[in-house]
Amino acid sequence: KQEVTQIPAALSVPEGENLVLNCSFTDSAIYNLQWFRQDPGKGLTSLLLIQSSQREQTSGRLNASLDKSSGRSTLYIAASQPGDSATYLCAVRPYGGSQGNLIFGKGTKLSVKP
Amino acid sequence: SAVISQKPSRDICQRGTSLTIQCQVDSQVTMMFWYRQQPGQSLTLIATANQGSEATYESGFVIDKFPISRPNLTFSTLTVSNMSPEDSSIYLCSVAGTATYEQYFGPGTRLTVT
Repeated sequence: KQEVTQIPAALSVPEGENLVLNCSFTDSAIYNLQWFRQDPGKGLTSLLLIQSSQREQTSGRLNASLDKSSGRSTLYIAASQPGDSATYLCAVRPYGGSQGNLIFGKGTKLSVKP
Repeated sequence: SAVISQKPSRDICQRGTSLTIQCQVDSQVTMMFWYRQQPGQSLTLIATANQGSEATYESGFVIDKFPISRPNLTFSTLTVSNMSPEDSSIYLCSVAGTATYEQYFGPGTRLTVT
């Protein structure tokens, strides 16, 4: 059974710092991996999608990497800003199963202090 | 990408009542997905709503508790029936891109059952 773990559960950093969020998954048979941002009480915003054949994706100050063989992904945020404060969720799409069945981690709650 | 709207954004309901959540997508999609996020937990897929056929429910979720309608290719409803405090969650509607399977989410409906 696929399980997704995110470490740390919470992170507080001063503004301007570069940071890394970690995501690990137990089964490497994935179609893709997606990083989301969730603001308190809100829905999810897609940040980056990495297909299983890709190693990394970049969007602005965000860079996500994928090492499928070791079951790991990282989300790198450069020059963090208070507006980056949110919960960051990692989700994998396993091969097989229902099309919408993303397996989510519990998230990392990020707080960026001014 | 897809733009998804949900109604209501939040509600407070009494035990034993039912609530119907609406989801509207700005483009035609074959499948729409309903997720639940219980407090402090990761997202879990409830069911897949297919236009013109019965919804497909994940293990642990049943049609009597979570009836779903899918009258056309841009709209779906999820009803939470005979509610108990354990149903207090954020309910999210979602669709997936057909080329990349990137998943998109609505803003969510925050339900509190008293």
